[in-house]
Amino acid sequence: AQSVAQPEDQVNVAEGNPLTVKCTYSVSGNPYLFWYVQYPNRGLQFLLKYITGDNLVKGSYGFEAEFNKSQTSFHLKKPSALVSDSALYFCAVRDGGRGNTPLVFGKGTRLSVIA
Amino acid sequence: ETGVTQTPRHLVMGMTNKKSLKCEQHLGHNAMYWYKQSAKKPLELMFVYNFKEQTENNSVPSRFSPECPNSSHLFLHLHTLQPEDSALYLCASSQVTSGGTTSTDTQYFGPGTRLTVL
Repeated sequence: AQSVAQPEDQVNVAEGNPLTVKCTYSVSGNPYLFWYVQYPNRGLQFLLKYITGDNLVKGSYGFEAEFNKSQTSFHLKKPSALVSDSALYFCAVRDGGRGNTPLVFGKGTRLSVIA
Repeated sequence: ETGVTQTPRHLVMGMTNKKSLKCEQHLGHNAMYWYKQSAKKPLELMFVYNFKEQTENNSVPSRFSPECPNSSHLFLHLHTLQPEDSALYLCASSQVTSGGTTSTDTQYFGPGTRLTVL
């Protein structure tokens, strides 16, 4: 069965500093990996995904993520954090080798960017 | 978020009430999903409809009843709920491939309905 771990419940970073939100996964087939962001009282917004190809994926709002197969990780990064990046971030994985399997989400990491 | 809309945005109901949540997607997708988001828990997939056919029911209690009359609309009918059913209910849609082949689809979410059961 596929699973996702977001080891940090909360990440605090100063505005202008680089940020990293961690995600590790487990699937039996090829991993299809996604990052979503959720602002207060809103639904989840798609940020980026990795299906195949270049290990570094660029997404919305200046975010990027690096797929690392040997470490089974897909950490979300941004070179310079903004206060407006403060939100709840979810990593999700699908087993790409088993038909149209459901997405499995992590518990989420709350990012707080301090001015 | 305008691609997937949900109504109502907030709902307060008693345990004996019957209510329905509505989701509409304007993206031309062929799959729709209901998720439950509770505090400090991972997102829980409840139901999946592919091409209007229910393909997933993750052991959801029968007090939750989904309905998908067409590929653009999805309902969640609620009756005799419990206080622990209070949560944010999210709808999503995606475009999936047919024939059970692997899909790389991205799911797009609505803003959710905040449900409180008294």
